[in-house]
Amino acid sequence: GAVVSQHPSRVICKSGTSVKIECRSLDFQATTMFWYRQFPKQSLMLMATSNEGSKATYEQGVEKDKFLINHASLTLSTLTVTSAHPEDSSFYICSAIRGTGYNEQFFGPGTRLTVL
Amino acid sequence: EDKVVQSPLSLVVHEGDTVTLNCSYEVTNFRSLLWYKQEKKAPTFLFMLTSSGIEKKSGRLSSILDKKELSSILNITATQTGDSAIYLCAVFTSGTYKYIFGTGTRLKVLA
Repeated sequence: GAVVSQHPSRVICKSGTSVKIECRSLDFQATTMFWYRQFPKQSLMLMATSNEGSKATYEQGVEKDKFLINHASLTLSTLTVTSAHPEDSSFYICSAIRGTGYNEQFFGPGTRLTVL
Repeated sequence: EDKVVQSPLSLVVHEGDTVTLNCSYEVTNFRSLLWYKQEKKAPTFLFMLTSSGIEKKSGRLSSILDKKELSSILNITATQTGDSAIYLCAVFTSGTYKYIFGTGTRLKVLA
């Protein structure tokens, strides 16, 4: 199968701190990973497309200085929420595309961020 | 602007009922339509549809794409309480190479 892990699964932090979320493809190489955000009772909202070896492409309205994305290798992408505030509290989910087929994205289990 | 809309937004049924969920889209460079089930964590994959009129089936779930009507339906027969979840539809566009998610349908199946 194609397994994607995310770490941590849950994080609680104080306002003003930065939080890093890791997304790893465990048994395949992922040239492209997506980062989504999901508010309660709402659908997934694409934040950015992360490509290995290049800068991430951010969706309109997503602050790139606020949500730093680094796709350091073919199996790892990280999302850092800088100077987090309570309004950043959300469920963050990553997904990875195996190869270049774009036929199916494999989701990580998600990270629930709570900013106090 | 690319858009994916699902209906109904929420649905409550009793065990044994059959439900039909709808997904309609307006996108450029359509490539595929995917259905996902989301319970407490991340979505799990159900179906991927690329060709019109070909039904995909998995147990009590089935889905079909109508490219003329720019829509897809997901059918669940003989519903069970374990089917309670949010069902998400996503369209992949080859122009922008990203998945656009619909609003989701929240299904609750009562015992």
